[in-house]
Amino acid sequence: EVQLVESGGGLVQPGGSLRLSCGASGFMFSYFWMYWVRQAPGKGLEWVAKIKPDGSDLYYADSVKGRFTISRDNAKSSLYLQMNSLTAADTAVYYCSRDTMGGHSQDVWGQGTTVTVSS
Amino acid sequence: EIVLAQSPGTLSLSPGGRATLSCRASQSISGSYLAWYQHKPGQAPRLLIYGASSRATGIPDRFSGSGSGTDFTLTISRLEPEDFAVYYCQVYGSAFGGGTKVEIK
Repeated sequence: EVQLVESGGGLVQPGGSLRLSCGASGFMFSYFWMYWVRQAPGKGLEWVAKIKPDGSDLYYADSVKGRFTISRDNAKSSLYLQMNSLTAADTAVYYCSRDTMGGHSQDVWGQGTTVTVSS
Repeated sequence: EIVLAQSPGTLSLSPGGRATLSCRASQSISGSYLAWYQHKPGQAPRLLIYGASSRATGIPDRFSGSGSGTDFTLTISRLEPEDFAVYYCQVYGSAFGGGTKVEIK
């Protein structure tokens, strides 16, 4: 079964850091672009970051550029999001997702992990 | 940066009704790069349509997508109870629209 499972969410103070992980199974992880997408409470979906299959190209939304770092370990079929200098605006459910090879969309999504930034 | 504007914000319809959702891009995009997702509370988003008009695997044929350039449409021909949700359009690999909530009237 094709599956993505996020972990690492939790409560963190403003200015703090957190590292999210996403474990992939059931497909050749190293072949696919991967994404992080978030949804803040009461808001819509927001694309956060994406990474090329070999990890050589990284892209970020302006709202997180310079604070978040996306990475991957293809040997472990894992995707990561290092989040630094967190603010209340980063409070959200964070989803990892897989690119649809050739379909220009995202066809597999995890259930999400919740990040709460609060003192 | 391409901005996607979805309308209406909320659509109140009865089961069996027809839903027409709009997504307008701030600049022309290739239809190949426009996707639609369904999102329900507490669940992962679900890909419905890719390439503006192609249904994803397992998506019922009551869902259809159309459009080109800057104007795209998602149509749900006969609303089933499980279709009441929020729908988002997305330009490939980046921005989502603000979403349209389809609620039970």
